[in-house]
Amino acid sequence: EVQLVESGGGLVQPGGSLRLSCVGSGCTFSGYWMHWVRQAPGKGLVWVSRIDSVGGTRSYADSVKGRFTISRDNAKDTVFLLMSSLRADDTAVYYCACEAPTGLFWGQGIHVTVSS
Amino acid sequence: DIVMTQSPDSLAVSLGERATINCKSSRNVLYSSNNKNYLAWYQQKPGQPPQLVLSWASIRESGVPDRFSGSGSGTDFTLTISSLQAEDVAVYYCQQHYTTPWTFGQGTKVEIK
Repeated sequence: EVQLVESGGGLVQPGGSLRLSCVGSGCTFSGYWMHWVRQAPGKGLVWVSRIDSVGGTRSYADSVKGRFTISRDNAKDTVFLLMSSLRADDTAVYYCACEAPTGLFWGQGIHVTVSS
Repeated sequence: DIVMTQSPDSLAVSLGERATINCKSSRNVLYSSNNKNYLAWYQQKPGQPPQLVLSWASIRESGVPDRFSGSGSGTDFTLTISSLQAEDVAVYYCQQHYTTPWTFGQGTKVEIK
């Protein structure tokens, strides 16, 4: 069974930074690509970023490129999302997800609120 | 980017009746070398994360009831719930993983009439 637990969310002021963490199990963590997907309040799912199994290939949505950085520490079964220059429209539930061949398996999500 | 468009945005179906959700991709998501459609369907119940329901457009995930089925290829896809149950009330999303950025449909809310 896949278990992914996100942490590090909360309230941050516009222009601030936050680092999300996701600890995983059941995905054979080090063998899988990992993703972050977000969902603004009352809205749909938006893909944010992904990283390959060893951290060599990273992709970002245009809306976060240059502001967000994805990374991973396979020794700790953890993937990170460093979010900088945060804006109000970054407010969302952020989900960590494991990329299996068939699709994504998701964590419970963590709330991020950007507000003054 | 590949744009995924679902229809309808919401539908209300009586218990035991059929629910049909459509998903249209702006580009082909069928990979010719393996003849697989890189199209997944997710179910999201209120307050919960999404859960994978169908992969490769039509393959049910383990534990998913057989009243859920998927069809289509290339750019046009359908999720069908053959006999709606109360526990199927949720928002359903299609998603392409053919190329980055991965993109989702806007979601279809399924309710009981």
